[in-house]
Amino acid sequence: RKEVEQDPGPFNVPEGATVAFNCTYSNSASQSFFWYRQDCRKEPKLLMSVYSSGNEDGRFTAQLNRASQYISLLIRDSKLSDSATYLCAVTRMDSSYKLIFGSGTRLLVRP
Amino acid sequence: NAGVTQTPKFQVLKTGQSMTLQCAQDMNHEYMSWYRQDPGMGLRLIHYSVGAGITDQGEVPNGYNVSRSTTEDFPLRLLSAAPSQTSVYFCASGDQVNSPLHFGNGTRLTVT
Repeated sequence: RKEVEQDPGPFNVPEGATVAFNCTYSNSASQSFFWYRQDCRKEPKLLMSVYSSGNEDGRFTAQLNRASQYISLLIRDSKLSDSATYLCAVTRMDSSYKLIFGSGTRLLVRP
Repeated sequence: NAGVTQTPKFQVLKTGQSMTLQCAQDMNHEYMSWYRQDPGMGLRLIHYSVGAGITDQGEVPNGYNVSRSTTEDFPLRLLSAAPSQTSVYFCASGDQVNSPLHFGNGTRLTVT
């Protein structure tokens, strides 16, 4: 089992739709959580950090559920420009210091 | 401010050749790391460093060496290239291990 797992998608939604992605992690020593966005053939870029109390940035909302070991990303009012792959990342800080990524969820927003 | 700079952008190697992928950052970040990205596999951590003189293995370290003699530079060496090392390689840096990472533009490596 992978340490960080995501549904690969693709999620194909119309403009204006609300879409949600989940990401599960298996290591309970995980301490920091992030969502990154990656456009085709580009480098990943930070979308938002995920805090224990949940956080919002415009149309994007991230939540953390430590008990069930997953993080989520909600995108409201989807835009064509939101089409990308969304990667979750989890920092493990036990005997090592590793930021582990999920395989990514691909989102396609259609007109 | 250049951020994280990777060179080269593209490289073709023959099996058995060696080469070094360069990575430099100008943000005075302590944490640096190398990932490879393959279709359907996401980003996999090769090696990382929490500061100058300190390196450690990630998820897929075999066939790669790193060193961190300065805060700015974190080169990745392929000792004897194999077709299985055909991939896109990303270098990334952050203030600390649990900080958001800044990625370089990537190096597309093909081993024939």
